[in-house]
Amino acid sequence: NAGVTQTPKFQVLKTGQSMTLQCAQDMNHEYMSWYRQDPGMGLRLIHYSVGAGITDQGEVPNGYNVSRSTTEDFPLRLLSAAPSQTSVYFCASSSWTSGRTGELFFGEGSRLTVL
Amino acid sequence: AQSVTQPDIHITVSEGASLELRCNYSYGATPYLFWYVQSPGQGLQLLLKYFSGDTLVQGIKGFEAEFKRSQSSFNLRKPSVHWSDAAEYFCAVEGDDKIIFGKGTRLHILP
Repeated sequence: NAGVTQTPKFQVLKTGQSMTLQCAQDMNHEYMSWYRQDPGMGLRLIHYSVGAGITDQGEVPNGYNVSRSTTEDFPLRLLSAAPSQTSVYFCASSSWTSGRTGELFFGEGSRLTVL
Repeated sequence: AQSVTQPDIHITVSEGASLELRCNYSYGATPYLFWYVQSPGQGLQLLLKYFSGDTLVQGIKGFEAEFKRSQSSFNLRKPSVHWSDAAEYFCAVEGDDKIIFGKGTRLHILP
């Protein structure tokens, strides 16, 4: 009953370091996405993917990279961490039918602190 | 591009009272609309969704929402709140392969 699995759950980085947040889903969902959640800002879309080999930018893509080599995995890379990237990150997946996205299934979140 | 506005950052209601959380969206075509809830320290759970058809949709935990195209709104309602409903509520709109969330409304319940 895994659903969407994110690792790590907690991470502390120093400014300038790079890291990858991992996301895997076992529901055979075509659609996957990354959000960041900050107090008073709701969830903001970073990047999304409608299938293997296809990715696109969301609302706040700067400073982040993604790739989608398999249906199951959608890692989020921070290239050079900045304090402004301190946040809680959520990965989510969904079916994608007739070009529309359905209900999002979320991971438990990854809390990232950049010093 | 689509957008979502939740005008109320905080709402406080007494236990047993009725509740309405407001959501206005902007999207040029027919939207898919969602309400999610996030309890303290928890992940996000879908309350209900509107894709098409009946404009009054029922969800889990006794919640309902009404889609009003003329007002670009999708307000969430509950006739009688329980202390366990204290949480943050997010409205979201799907369009152009993206699901965009509002900034959320935090619901406080008075005993």
